[in-house]
Amino acid sequence: KAGVTQTPRYLIKTRGQQVTLSCSPISGHRSVSWYQQTPGQGLQFLFEYFSETQRNKGNFPGRFSGRQFSNSRSEMNVSTLELGDSALYLCASRRSGISTDTQYFGPGTRLTVL
Amino acid sequence: AQSVTQPDIHITVSEGASLELRCNYSYGATPYLFWYVQSPGQGLQLLLKYFSGDTLVQGIKGFEAEFKRSQSSFNLRKPSVHWSDAAEYFCAVATASGAGSYQLTFGKGTKLSVIP
Repeated sequence: KAGVTQTPRYLIKTRGQQVTLSCSPISGHRSVSWYQQTPGQGLQFLFEYFSETQRNKGNFPGRFSGRQFSNSRSEMNVSTLELGDSALYLCASRRSGISTDTQYFGPGTRLTVL
Repeated sequence: AQSVTQPDIHITVSEGASLELRCNYSYGATPYLFWYVQSPGQGLQLLLKYFSGDTLVQGIKGFEAEFKRSQSSFNLRKPSVHWSDAAEYFCAVATASGAGSYQLTFGKGTKLSVIP
């Protein structure tokens, strides 16, 4: 069974631009969560989508947004990029909405903002 | 608010030696606890998880962890470390937010170096 895939794996942008990251969950998984990983702040939760609806959001500014499609694939968008947005963005999927489901992570997208 | 503390930023052990990585959590309800491992340039791989029941949990790659409610700890152990275990290890607690949704709150991680 294929794992969580994320594209692109690496991305370089300049300040003020916007970026879209993509995540394809494990087949059959309906929940997708996004996390940001930086050396200073560590791993921080961005948001979770389930059945195309955002049902949980972390403490990030409105420049960070996402969506989920009917096939459970998810995209994350960051507008007006800042230098501090440079990070590894990790996507995680889980099967359903049950709280005991385990999250499985993708390899991440490394975003560098110049 | 929930939090996870991993007191050791960096640990170095010799190959074949035993390993214990410490994790302390702060969470009001019964915690769901996880250990993940991250190799350089990679995502997170689940080592093991605790939801309820037996407090000694077995995971992959020969790892185990013990949940101790009285100490709010979930330490990860391995009896004999292999060079391939060199990586960064993250402890996490799941914080429920209703309707089956939860988010993971992670510790800052412990980087493990292995001396051949």
